[in-house]
Amino acid sequence: DAKTTQPNSMESNEEEPVHLPCNHSTISGTDYIHWYRQLPSQGPEYVIHGLTSNVNNRMASLAIAEDRKSSTLILHRATLRDAAVYYCILRGSGTYKYIFGTGTRLKVLA
Amino acid sequence: NAGVTQTPKFRVLKTGQSMTLLCAQDMNHEYMYWYRQDPGMGLRLIHYSVGEGTTAKGEVPDGYNVSRLKKQNFLLGLESAAPSQTSVYFCASSRHPWTEQNEQFFGPGTRLTVL
Repeated sequence: DAKTTQPNSMESNEEEPVHLPCNHSTISGTDYIHWYRQLPSQGPEYVIHGLTSNVNNRMASLAIAEDRKSSTLILHRATLRDAAVYYCILRGSGTYKYIFGTGTRLKVLA
Repeated sequence: NAGVTQTPKFRVLKTGQSMTLLCAQDMNHEYMYWYRQDPGMGLRLIHYSVGEGTTAKGEVPDGYNVSRLKKQNFLLGLESAAPSQTSVYFCASSRHPWTEQNEQFFGPGTRLTVL
């Protein structure tokens, strides 16, 4: 299974944009890039996913490098509620199993 | 809709005791999963089910058994609990996986301590 590498932790000020990086140099051509986040004492929740093109939804944006070896989750205006562990996961096409890494713990400062 | 629910929320066991964790989902999802999460680590897949009456092993299946007698329920059993099974257990469900998004919906977790 392809592996992802994320920084252990990041900090951001409230109401500022946050860029959470993920490296996945061994990604295959059919792997989807998924992002989940886990708020304190809760189960993970879906944030966004993409394959090749940049993606936007109401929660975040996903920027995927042209060679697909890295991606960045963008929170446009961080709020205190966005403090969580963010997981970058690769999912092979036609598979349903996620391999979770240790994620990035985001701290948002008021 | 309640989504994915887990019972119980907390449990303390003594070594050698048995217990069953219950997961229920009301989204008519085909696929269900059991994960464990240890401190400072990501989630690891224990067992999963691709439909009623079927189960399969994940990354860390030893010491656990599962059953999926009804589509909406997925049970995780510990026959003889060990301290190494102290963890937070999460259940998840998803639609048929042959969709691009394949979002997994997670329950709130069960915190299990084995003394």
